[in-house]
Amino acid sequence: EVQLLESGGGLVQPGGSLRLSCAVSGFTFTDYAFSWVRQTPGKEMEWVAGISGSGRNTYFADSAQGRFAISRDDSKHTVSLQMNSLRADDTAVYYCVKDRGWGFDYNFDLWGQGTLVTVSS
Amino acid sequence: DIQMTQSPSSLSASVGDTVTITCRASHSISRYLNWFQQKPGKAPKTLIYEASSLQSGVPSRFSGSGSGTDFTLTISSLQPEDFATYYCQQSYSTPGTFGPGTRVEVK
Repeated sequence: EVQLLESGGGLVQPGGSLRLSCAVSGFTFTDYAFSWVRQTPGKEMEWVAGISGSGRNTYFADSAQGRFAISRDDSKHTVSLQMNSLRADDTAVYYCVKDRGWGFDYNFDLWGQGTLVTVSS
Repeated sequence: DIQMTQSPSSLSASVGDTVTITCRASHSISRYLNWFQQKPGKAPKTLIYEASSLQSGVPSRFSGSGSGTDFTLTISSLQPEDFATYYCQQSYSTPGTFGPGTRVEVK
């Protein structure tokens, strides 16, 4: 079964860190780029970060640049998002999203079920 | 960044109706436009990619059209399971940006 399963969300204080993970199954992991897309409590959708099929190229939204890191483990079929210096406006449901191809190009194909990140004191 | 707008923000419709949602980009995006459906508490689901290509497994009552700056999503013969929020998203330039969504409600 084709599946993307996120984990790692939770409550964190402002300035804290959190690592999200996405376990992928049901297709050839190394053939595809991946992204993290978040949905705010107001339901706005925002792309956060992307990684190419090779893992050599990573991309970040301005809001995430310098604070977040995206990585992939081809042996474990996982995609991770390390989030540092978290702020209240990072509060959102974070979705792991499969791209349509190997090169990253914002063509979102398949979505995970999401994991909630709440940044609050 | 390219700004995406959608109209209407919400609409009320009945089962069997034909529904049309419009998405507009602030700059030309050729045909690099995707449509997603999201039901309450669920993840988004891809419906249409590259403006008019139907995602595998999506019913043919969903169709997309347009190019440049103006796009439409049409749902022919609305079904009970189609009541949801619909988002457009451009994949033409970085960062890929989303519209604010259109909520399709029961009339």
